[in-house]
Amino acid sequence: AQSVTQPDIHITVSEGASLELRCNYSYGATPYLFWYVQSPGQGLQLLLKYFSGDTLVQGIKGFEAEFKRSQSSFNLRKPSVHWSDAAEYFCAVVGGMEYGNKLVFGAGTILRVKS
Amino acid sequence: EAGVTQFPSHSVIEKGQTVTLRCDPISGHDNLYWYRRVMGKEIKFLLHFVKESKQDESGMPNNRFLAERTGGTYSTLKVQPAELEDSGVYFCASSQERGTPQFFGPGTRLTVL
Repeated sequence: AQSVTQPDIHITVSEGASLELRCNYSYGATPYLFWYVQSPGQGLQLLLKYFSGDTLVQGIKGFEAEFKRSQSSFNLRKPSVHWSDAAEYFCAVVGGMEYGNKLVFGAGTILRVKS
Repeated sequence: EAGVTQFPSHSVIEKGQTVTLRCDPISGHDNLYWYRRVMGKEIKFLLHFVKESKQDESGMPNNRFLAERTGGTYSTLKVQPAELEDSGVYFCASSQERGTPQFFGPGTRLTVL
């Protein structure tokens, strides 16, 4: 079965500092990978996706993520965090046809930004 | 282009009552999904429609939950009778086809007292 692990439940960074949120997945082949963000009082917003090709993908709001097959990872990064980035971040995977088209989510990482 | 909309945004009901949640997907999206996040847990898949047909309902917790998608447009999720453990946020998402991103609605926060 597919699974997604986000090992950090909470992360606190200073405004202007760099950020890396970790995500590891379990799946035999190359899945479709996503990062979503949920700001307070909002729904889930798609930050970026990886389907194939270049393993470094760019997303909205200055975020990027790198797919590393050897590590089964898809970590999210941002070079300089803004106070408005405080939110909960979810890594998700869609596997092969045998798993249907459903997203499997990690537990989420809550990002706090201190000034 | 309008996004995925959900109604109501909040619902508070007593145990044993019935609640119906509604989702309007992005126009032209044949795929519609329901997910749920119970307090402190991961977001979990409930079911997937392709047009009006249920493609995958493996995540539906029990037969108190009934989902429909009339004419392949909007969808409803009915919980009857509601139990305390049904409390959580119910998300709806839609996509054009498999492999394309799913776009989420703002969610419905259900509280069962």
